[in-house]
Amino acid sequence: EPEVTQTPSHQVTQMGQEVILRCVPISNHLYFYWYRQILGQKVEFLVSFYNNEISEKSEIFDDQFSVERPDGSNFTLKIRSTKLEDSAMYFCASSLQVTSPLHFGNGTRLTVT
Amino acid sequence: TQLLEQSPQFLSIQEGENLTVYCNSSSVFSSLQWYRQEPGEGPVLLVTVVTGGEVKKLKRLTFQFGDARKDSSLHITAAQPGDTGLYLCAGFPPGGGSQGNLIFGKGTKLSVKP
Repeated sequence: EPEVTQTPSHQVTQMGQEVILRCVPISNHLYFYWYRQILGQKVEFLVSFYNNEISEKSEIFDDQFSVERPDGSNFTLKIRSTKLEDSAMYFCASSLQVTSPLHFGNGTRLTVT
Repeated sequence: TQLLEQSPQFLSIQEGENLTVYCNSSSVFSSLQWYRQEPGEGPVLLVTVVTGGEVKKLKRLTFQFGDARKDSSLHITAAQPGDTGLYLCAGFPPGGGSQGNLIFGKGTKLSVKP
């Protein structure tokens, strides 16, 4: 069964550094998402992306965050200047249509020191 | 404010027991989804309930959507160790939001002991 893949599985970075989290959504899916889950807390929506532009974003997704689909397969989340509170599991997801079920990747654990 | 409240937060039972976990809100949802998440993995969709009063069955799992579409329950019959995991309910924000911006509850962490 096709799946969403994320790399790396674990990323450690120093405060203030830029990080790029990578995702390969399911190939025929059209809608892409990033969610995050701080340890012990609930999964939170960050951003949705369709047709090469952001379609929805949450309050968490401030100017430090950006997303890009640089080619036909990858979908990236960039954090420009990481803060300690950015430490979390970051999940990428994709769906065929906006109303279709979301398929989540296994996440990237980001640790900011 | 938690839009989706899940209870109990933790549940530890013996293999073979039945259990019910709940997802409650003061808001009406057009639909609710149930996910299961295992350690180190992303959430995996189990079911979506759409119609008030709807009951859906997935083997030993029974999902119900409340008549008023403000709550949902997941009942597991004869639980097995393989059912161990974090059960999450999620829905799109009431009054709008259909761009994949799911709201999740905090989840019920289920442990089934052999």
